[in-house]
Amino acid sequence: DVKVTQSSRYLVKRTGEKVFLECVQDMDHENMFWYRQDPGLGLRLIYFSYDVKMKEKGDIPEGYSVSREKKERFSLILESASTNQTSMYLCASKFMAGYMNTEAFFGQGTRLTVV
Amino acid sequence: LAKTTQPISMDSYEGQEVNITCSHNNIATNDYITWYQQFPSQGPRFIIQGYKTKVTNEVASLFIPADRKSSTLSLPRVSLSDTAVYYCLAQSGNTGKLIFGQGTTLQVKP
Repeated sequence: DVKVTQSSRYLVKRTGEKVFLECVQDMDHENMFWYRQDPGLGLRLIYFSYDVKMKEKGDIPEGYSVSREKKERFSLILESASTNQTSMYLCASKFMAGYMNTEAFFGQGTRLTVV
Repeated sequence: LAKTTQPISMDSYEGQEVNITCSHNNIATNDYITWYQQFPSQGPRFIIQGYKTKVTNEVASLFIPADRKSSTLSLPRVSLSDTAVYYCLAQSGNTGKLIFGQGTTLQVKP
């Protein structure tokens, strides 16, 4: 079974802190994604990566950065956490297989609260 | 990326068949239609994908007309455990981005 593991299920951080959310997948997937999910807004893409050290902005990248130094690990960084970044964060990964849209696998999510 | 439009919410009763329609008027030739299901406090999970006509698996059926501008996810005889958010995506595998909309919240009542 494919496994996507997020480092924390729940996290509480203070305003202004630098926050790292870690995601690891064990299936050698090329593509990895970070989303945030807020009530009534669905899943919004923050960043995605299609290879090691390669990244592209999603729809809401402001206030976030990412790092992918190894294929299996994709980190989301909140440079200076703010209360409006309180949210559920979801990581996903999938194979890149040409035109065929392969299945994405999601982690369990990290519920981040910034106080 | 093709924009998709689906109802925000739907209600049903146990044992009924539920059909959720998704509109994707500007779907591209290489786009596949994919549906995900998300239970509360969990990440979404893939349930079905198709390109045209009909696809069926143990969870659902997906109907896609010839013009591919819409698709319908069909859940046979729903139970309370089918209460979830259902997302429709229309994109090709080499797009890179995986864009979800707001999804359809299905509430199954006893």
